[in-house]
Amino acid sequence: AQSVTQPDIHITVSEGASLELRCNYSYGATPYLFWYVQSPGQGLQLLLKYFSGDTLVQGIKGFEAEFKRSQSSFNLRKPSVHWSDAAEYFCAVGGDTGGFKTIFGAGTRLFVKA
Amino acid sequence: SQTIHQWPATLVQPVGSPLSLECTVEGTSNPNLYWYRQAAGRGLQLLFYSVGIGQISSEVPQNLSASRPQDRQFILSSKKLLLSDSGFYLCAWSGPLSEQYFGPGTRLTVT
Repeated sequence: AQSVTQPDIHITVSEGASLELRCNYSYGATPYLFWYVQSPGQGLQLLLKYFSGDTLVQGIKGFEAEFKRSQSSFNLRKPSVHWSDAAEYFCAVGGDTGGFKTIFGAGTRLFVKA
Repeated sequence: SQTIHQWPATLVQPVGSPLSLECTVEGTSNPNLYWYRQAAGRGLQLLFYSVGIGQISSEVPQNLSASRPQDRQFILSSKKLLLSDSGFYLCAWSGPLSEQYFGPGTRLTVT
């Protein structure tokens, strides 16, 4: 079955510190992988996507993610967190065998402390 | 460029009243469209998706329904709201790699 697991419900990091949000997926074929960010009361915004090629993908707002097929992971990273990065982050998987649907993880809430 | 609109932004409705939420997309043709619900502090629950006019797939049995009367219009409805229908409703359309682009959402409170 297709699934996405985000092991951390919430994470707190200090402003200026590095960040890594974990994501593991289960998918029957080559996955298309995504990270989204949601600020309170707003819709989700696509941060970055991976479908083939270079396994390290760059996104908006200084985020990057690395696809590791052997570990079925697609972790999101940022070298230096800003207070404005505090939000909910969702990992998602889609692709040909998923039909028209995208499977979302449960989300990780990021808190940034001064 | 593509944009997606949802209205209303917020809605407070009594139990048993009807519901109509509207979503429209601009700048793209024949998009796949989606309705999600997000309960407080929870993840996304896919409610309906549509691959074309009049084509609706339901993911969760409930008292909600969806319709797509025009190519870029997607409507979420209910004849009688329940308390459990409260939540944040998101409309989205998908690009060629199934990446999804979301609207600003509607906050529904059923009292």
